[in-house]
This record gives sequence, C-alpha cells and structure tokens, in this order.
Amino acid sequence: GDSVTQTEGLVTLTEGLPVMLNCTYQTAYSTFLFWYVQHLNEAPKLLLKSSTDNKRTEHQGFHATLHKSSSSFHLQKSSAQLSDSALYYCALRASSGSWQLIFGSGTQLTVMP
Amino acid sequence: AQTIHQWPVAEIKAVGSPLSLGCTIKGKSSPNLYWYWQATGGTLQQLFYSITVGQVESVVQLNLSASRPKDDQFILSTEKLLLSHSGFYLCAWSLPGTGGPSQNTLYFGAGTRLSVL
Repeated sequence: GDSVTQTEGLVTLTEGLPVMLNCTYQTAYSTFLFWYVQHLNEAPKLLLKSSTDNKRTEHQGFHATLHKSSSSFHLQKSSAQLSDSALYYCALRASSGSWQLIFGSGTQLTVMP
Repeated sequence: AQTIHQWPVAEIKAVGSPLSLGCTIKGKSSPNLYWYWQATGGTLQQLFYSITVGQVESVVQLNLSASRPKDDQFILSTEKLLLSHSGFYLCAWSLPGTGGPSQNTLYFGAGTRLSVL
C-alpha cells in the first residue's frame, strides 16, 4: 500500500547550517509528492510539490528533488534560519485517487541561535 | 481573500458524549472540503472529503460522520465519543472542480484540539 516515511521525528540544528529532512515513499500510482509546513499555532501550508522525476523544485529558500529511482523527496535548505523552526510534513497522492493525500509522521525542525 | 474558520478551538469531552466540530470557508464558491485528524504524536490522516453540498465521501470513518449542509460549511460529528477520538482535527479546502489535493493546494484551518476523558 501507499506509505510515506519521515525517519527523523526531531531535528535540531544551529542557525546557518544546512537543513535536510528525509522523505521516502511507497506507491503503486504515478507519483505526486508534497511538503507541507506548520509553524507553531498556525495552520499547515504547502511549501513544495512535484511530480517530475529528477527536477528540482524551489520555494522560499527550500528545495527538493523527486527521485523515483530511490523513492525519495528530501527537503533541503542551504542555510537554516530561526524562522524555519516548524513541523514539516511530507505527503503523497494516494493510489486510491486524487482526493486523498497520505501524510508522513512529520519532522519537527528546531533552529537554535 | 479566502478565510477558513474552525470551531471550537479546543474541547474537553467525556467518553460517550456527542461531538460536533465545524468549519466555515469564506471568499470561495463551491470549494472542495476535507477533514483531517492527527492523533497525539501521529500523522495527519484524511477522514472525509466533499466536492459539493450534501455529498460527503468517507476515507477513514473512525466512528465519525461528516456533513456539508451549506456550500461553505463542513461539520464533523459523532453521537458517542471514544477515547481514541482524542487528537487534533483539521479542516481544509482546495479549489473547486476536479483534481483534489494532488493537483490543488490544500488550505488548512487552525484546527480543533479534542481531549476525550
């Protein structure tokens, strides 16, 4: 069945260091991947999305590349900022239809000064 | 501009009691609407979606039901709460028409935190 795996539940790093949040997936359907971000006491918001193999997608300083060969869609940023502290969800279009997204368990990113 | 409002912000309820959570979207006609649930420490799980007034599709029921009585309103309810219903409930909308959240951005509300004791 469809699944999304985010291996790190909690990532803590110092401001200015690079960010990499892992996301791997399993699906029987064409691949649509998403990153949603939720800041404290706010609603989740779409950060990135992609369905094209080996194409880099960028937004707000973050980028991710869908690699179908390794079933991965890792989120990266070259230099973390304090304001990047948030909960990050990777999500996948379900094989059952376009009306459902399968979310990963989320990664809490904390950026320290 | 579109706004999404969820109510209440938080609830503490007894096992076996009824529940009604609501969501209103303003500024967009005929949005697609969704309910998501997140158990403490768990992932976001889609419960229901609705493409039009009066029509609701279930993804995972969890002994809950949903209704869309108006174009801009989505209600999640149950007659008897279970301990397992505790968690965070999020309403979301996307642009009307076909495609769903895999083709259109999901816009989430701020959520309702439910504690069942």
